Amino acid sequence: NAGVMQNPRHLVRRRGQEARLRCSPMKGHSHVYWYRQLPEEGLKFMVYLQKENIIDESGMPKERFSAEFPKEGPSILRIQQVVRGDSAAYFCASSPSKTGYEQYFGPGTRLTVT
Amino acid sequence: EDKVVQSPLSLVVHEGDTVTLNCSYEVTNFRSLLWYKQEKKAPTFLFMLTSSGIEKKSGRLSSILDKKELFSILNITATQTGDSAVYLCAVDSRNYGGATNKLIFGTGTLLAIQP
Repeated sequence: NAGVMQNPRHLVRRRGQEARLRCSPMKGHSHVYWYRQLPEEGLKFMVYLQKENIIDESGMPKERFSAEFPKEGPSILRIQQVVRGDSAAYFCASSPSKTGYEQYFGPGTRLTVT
Repeated sequence: EDKVVQSPLSLVVHEGDTVTLNCSYEVTNFRSLLWYKQEKKAPTFLFMLTSSGIEKKSGRLSSILDKKELFSILNITATQTGDSAVYLCAVDSRNYGGATNKLIFGTGTLLAIQP
């Protein structure tokens, strides 16, 4: 059973470009979470999705950031018009249910904005 | 505001020593507390604790939760260089009428084991 997969592992973007980060949850998991880890800081919750639904986006900036988890395919975290402050590691996690199960993390995407 | 605080921020010990890592929390709707180990990449799951006073054990690692005093400890005995990592504590907090399911992380304890 493959774990949570994220790609790309490393992404370099110039200021103003768009960044698309992909996450494929573990097989059988329908709950996906995105977290951001800034340098010298802990992991911060961004958004929680189930298939075709955003359940909680309270940790996601209101502008430039969006997330989706379509019926088919991976979850996508999209950052438009990136700025230097968006440079961070973005982790995706998945779980089979929202209650009683730990979240399993992917290897992360390290975004660098130049 | 919900928060999770870990101490110490960093710790350097020698191989064979025993270490205790601390995690205290203040959250509105506590459901469980989790410990993760983070090396260069993905946090890997160690323990999930939901009940007070029940120790969870896996090899040289063990953890216990105190829901009255709002803290947890992670113990590692007979440490090895492979235990060097950042250890993350997270609390599973439910809001929005129970709909959400997000983890609130502490900043972690950086543990370095010297040979």
